Amino acid sequence: QSALTQPASVSGSPGQSITISCTGASSDVGSYNLVSWYQQLPGKAPKLIIYEGNKRPSGISNRFSGSKSGDTASLTISGLQADDEADYYCCSYAGTSLVFFGGGTKLTVL
Amino acid sequence: QVQLQESGPGLVRPAGTLSLTCAVSGDSIRSNDWWTWVRQPPGKGLEWLGEISHGGNANYSPSFRGRVTISIDMSNNQVSLNLKSVTAADTAVYYCAKTVLTWFDPWGQGTLVTVSS
Repeated sequence: QSALTQPASVSGSPGQSITISCTGASSDVGSYNLVSWYQQLPGKAPKLIIYEGNKRPSGISNRFSGSKSGDTASLTISGLQADDEADYYCCSYAGTSLVFFGGGTKLTVL
Repeated sequence: QVQLQESGPGLVRPAGTLSLTCAVSGDSIRSNDWWTWVRQPPGKGLEWLGEISHGGNANYSPSFRGRVTISIDMSNNQVSLNLKSVTAADTAVYYCAKTVLTWFDPWGQGTLVTVSS
């Protein structure tokens, strides 16, 4: 078992939509609808933005949405804003009380 | 609203033991929750170290099993992390977080630990 695979970077212009993928395996992402996503602003601690694949915590904008297809989970940010510029990490339950993080994706708002 | 605050030495000698504490406020550590440690080496991604339940049951990442110990101190409402036989590769910001089923919320602000002689 190893870290989940995310693209190193993605970019988009204000108002556009972007999608960040998170590819795992049949033993983690593919087996459980337990992917969470975290936003990490520069110099700050990670913040939960999506849990259980597609649920948003209270206070998180509905511009953030999650989905899954097979062994790949995705985070979509619509109506891109300048303050969305951050690092984004996925995380999946992998059974037997284990979790794995993705390598992280740097989002640049052009 | 639960808040977490990590603390401990910012510098640890190679081959020594890294020891950190996570103070929990706004929530009782006796509640039916789990508490997690995650680290982030400079410029790199997040790594899950392990978790502990209010009852003291712990799960560890295979990558750190044998070196890491997580414990819980109910009398002081805090969770502790010990990582032994450290090397420069263990230099990182260490975060504690509340585990809700399989996700983490909220997180502490993190504390930087440097391993150097």
